Amino acid sequence: AQSVTQLGSHVSVSEGALVLLRCNYSSSVPPYLFWYVQYPNQGLQLLLKYTTGATLVKGINGFEAEFKKSETSFHLTKPSAHMSDAAEYFCAVTYDRGSTLGRLYFGRGTQLTVWP
Amino acid sequence: KAGVTQTPRYLIKTRGQQVTLSCSPISGHRSVSWYQQTPGQGLQFLFEYFSETQRNKGNFPGRFSGRQFSNSRSEMNVSTLELGDSALYLCASSVAGGPETQYFGPGTRLLVL
Repeated sequence: AQSVTQLGSHVSVSEGALVLLRCNYSSSVPPYLFWYVQYPNQGLQLLLKYTTGATLVKGINGFEAEFKKSETSFHLTKPSAHMSDAAEYFCAVTYDRGSTLGRLYFGRGTQLTVWP
Repeated sequence: KAGVTQTPRYLIKTRGQQVTLSCSPISGHRSVSWYQQTPGQGLQFLFEYFSETQRNKGNFPGRFSGRQFSNSRSEMNVSTLELGDSALYLCASSVAGGPETQYFGPGTRLLVL
């Protein structure tokens, strides 16, 4: 069964510190991986995605993620946190199969708090 | 291009009633997916429509249904509302529903009393 695990439901960092949000997936077929961010009372906004090709993916707002097949991971990082990064972050996966058409499998989310 | 729009943004209903939520996808997108978001269960897939056909369905009871119109706009309906249906309902659109980026609307927050 397809699944996504986000380690740590809450992560707190100081402004200017490294942000690391962890995501692992379980799958026997090649995954397509996404990170979304959700601000209060809003929908989900795409940060970045991995489909094929380069395993280090750069996204918006200075975020990046690296696809590591051997570790089945897709961790999200940002070198220097900003107060505006405080939000909930979701890792999601889908596959190129008929049974997953239009369907994203989401992790439970990680709430990021940034302290001044 | 305009983004995904959802109406209404907020709804309050009572148990036993029914509700219809609407979603307008990004122009040119033919796939519309629906998700339910709750604190307890997280983000769960409801169903996906493409060219007016439901192609994929999550594990929800038959009280949850949807449809898609020829202009790709979609509606979802929940009949005989239960307290547990209180949630944020998110709609997402993509070009064709394959392993591609889904673009989300702001959601409809439903409260069932």
